[in-house]
Amino acid sequence: SQQGEEDPQALSIQEGENATMNCSYKTSINNLQWYRQNSGRGLVHLILIRSNEREKHSGRLRVTLDTSKKSSSLLITASRAADTASYFCATDAGRDDKIIFGKGTRLHILP
Amino acid sequence: SAVISQKPSRDICQRGTSLTIQCQVDSQVTMMFWYRQQPGQSLTLIATANQGSEATYESGFVIDKFPISRPNLTFSTLTVSNMSPEDSSIYLCSVEVKGMNTEAFFGQGTRLTVV
Repeated sequence: SQQGEEDPQALSIQEGENATMNCSYKTSINNLQWYRQNSGRGLVHLILIRSNEREKHSGRLRVTLDTSKKSSSLLITASRAADTASYFCATDAGRDDKIIFGKGTRLHILP
Repeated sequence: SAVISQKPSRDICQRGTSLTIQCQVDSQVTMMFWYRQQPGQSLTLIATANQGSEATYESGFVIDKFPISRPNLTFSTLTVSNMSPEDSSIYLCSVEVKGMNTEAFFGQGTRLTVV
């Protein structure tokens, strides 16, 4: 069953602006991950945040996690054309559970 | 980490035919996963492939339609059989490297168009 739900489903912003995507999930997790997918090809792992972490940074990426609200956000600062892609959150409940992916946010950076 | 080589990257096939997709991993992994991503949709898990045993299929997917081979710990194939236009999708193989945190690695995907 679907675990993560991203919103918005699609987002268009001007180059240079910040892009924020949100993810909500339903059950307790071990960690939450964000992936990027360019042009319908293979997914690339961006960042992982553990359940005991609240915020994490990687370059222009900032991820927050609120386990009380079962939600996460991905912020991309100073967006670039190359950031145009689909972004998926994925949850790992630990143990033998599989990683479960949300439906994704399609981000389009306008020149 | 794991690097996955998936091929073909794309194909256009006639309805009624079959296509076999291959995935090669640069390290030994216990489980490999096959996903389908229909246009504009998220990933849907087709099956989990363990070496030396039958693949485990998710609801809505059957072995006759999507036979899977897993002959060793670094290789797997997925066949899309008796294709119809509804099978047009991107197919992705994936492995999960388990440790303190589990991380998924993906092949580049196979874009299948059935005409």
